This record gives sequence, C-alpha cells and structure tokens, in this order.
Amino acid sequence: EAQVTQNPRYLITVTGKKLTVTCSQNMNHEYMSWYRQDPGLGLRQIYYSMNVEVTDKGDVPEGYKVSRKEKRNFPLILESPSPNQTSLYFCASSSGFGGANVLTFGAGSRLTVL
Amino acid sequence: GQNIDQPTEMTATEGAIVQINCTYQTSGFNGLFWYQQHAGEAPTFLSYNVLDGLEEKGRFSSFLSRSKGYSYLLLKELQMKDSASYLCAVMNTGFQKLVFGTGTRLLVSP
Repeated sequence: EAQVTQNPRYLITVTGKKLTVTCSQNMNHEYMSWYRQDPGLGLRQIYYSMNVEVTDKGDVPEGYKVSRKEKRNFPLILESPSPNQTSLYFCASSSGFGGANVLTFGAGSRLTVL
Repeated sequence: GQNIDQPTEMTATEGAIVQINCTYQTSGFNGLFWYQQHAGEAPTFLSYNVLDGLEEKGRFSSFLSRSKGYSYLLLKELQMKDSASYLCAVMNTGFQKLVFGTGTRLLVSP
C-alpha cells in the first residue's frame, strides 16, 4: 500500500531531551515536507526537500533540523525541544512539486513537550 | 507574502448543500487545492484547480476565479461523515511551497 509512515504517533517528552520523528514513504516521491498544525493557525511548513540532499526552510524552521540522505526517508529532529513545540506534526510527500502534484500525508505525530 | 482566508466554522443539515469559500492573495499562483481532514487524522486530497471554472467530482465540486483570488468548495447531499475540516491551500511555484489556510470546520447535523 502506498503510504507515508511516521513514528512515533504519540510522544510525551521533557524540555531539552533530543528527539527524532521519522518519516518514510514507499512511493519513490522526490518531494517531502514537514508541517506542524496548531489550533487556529492551520498547517505551517517547517522544512521541505525537493530531492535527496536538497532541503530548505519553510515558514517555521526555528528549533528543527532535517536531513534527506535517502529518497524515502525525511526525519525531523528536535535538538532541544521546548514547550512551544508541542503540536501535531505531519510529514507529506509528492512525486514532484508544482502543477497537480498531490501531497500524501502521514497519519501525524502528536508531540507534547513538558 | 501569501494570505488565505476561509470561514472558521460552518454548520449544515444532512442532505443539504453547503458552499465553503476561500479567498487568497499570492504571487506566482500555480493552483489551488482542497483537502479534507477529519479530527485527529491526516488531510486527504479532494480537488485541484488551476484554471478558472468549476471542477465536479461526485458530490463535491470546486470553483476557481483567478482574477478575483477566490475559490469555493461545494458539497451536495451532505452526509454525517462529511463533518470535518476543509483546508484550502494555494501553490506558489516561485517560493516552492504550498500554503494552507486555517481550515473551515464543517458540522453536519441530522
């Protein structure tokens, strides 16, 4: 089944404890992106990647890092999480960018930072 | 920059028709998407418009007017399962991003 898989789905952690949210897609998609979703603010892009080894900042990149060493994987790293990073995170991918390329989203990762 | 506006919440009755509006301001417009998102779940694709006019897909239709910076999603024969948030998203190729509105929460009552 074509899908985007995120792990963990739920995580409660404490301030300053480094964590990684993994994202993997099995559709050979070139474009991948991370979003966070907060009440009243909608989906906001954190980082995106047009292809392997090509990443760029979205609208809210502060406090996050990403890497794209392989086409299928696009992990999101929080080096020193803070409470304001408590949010619902979505990874998404598409075969390309522009035109009618449709984003396929993962199921989401709900992160709570205490 | 980009600005996308859509109503926060709407209510409708089962079997009725509802229209969810989206207005946007952007440069380098390269299409508008509508996604459906049930509470706590991932957004799923509904429609894509890049040219002016109406695109119909079963009970759902989407309209675009590029000159007015306006789109709407029309849902017919509403069902309870249509209760969800509907996200309008504008693609800006120049900035390589897809920007989402804050979403419209639709509540369908019996």
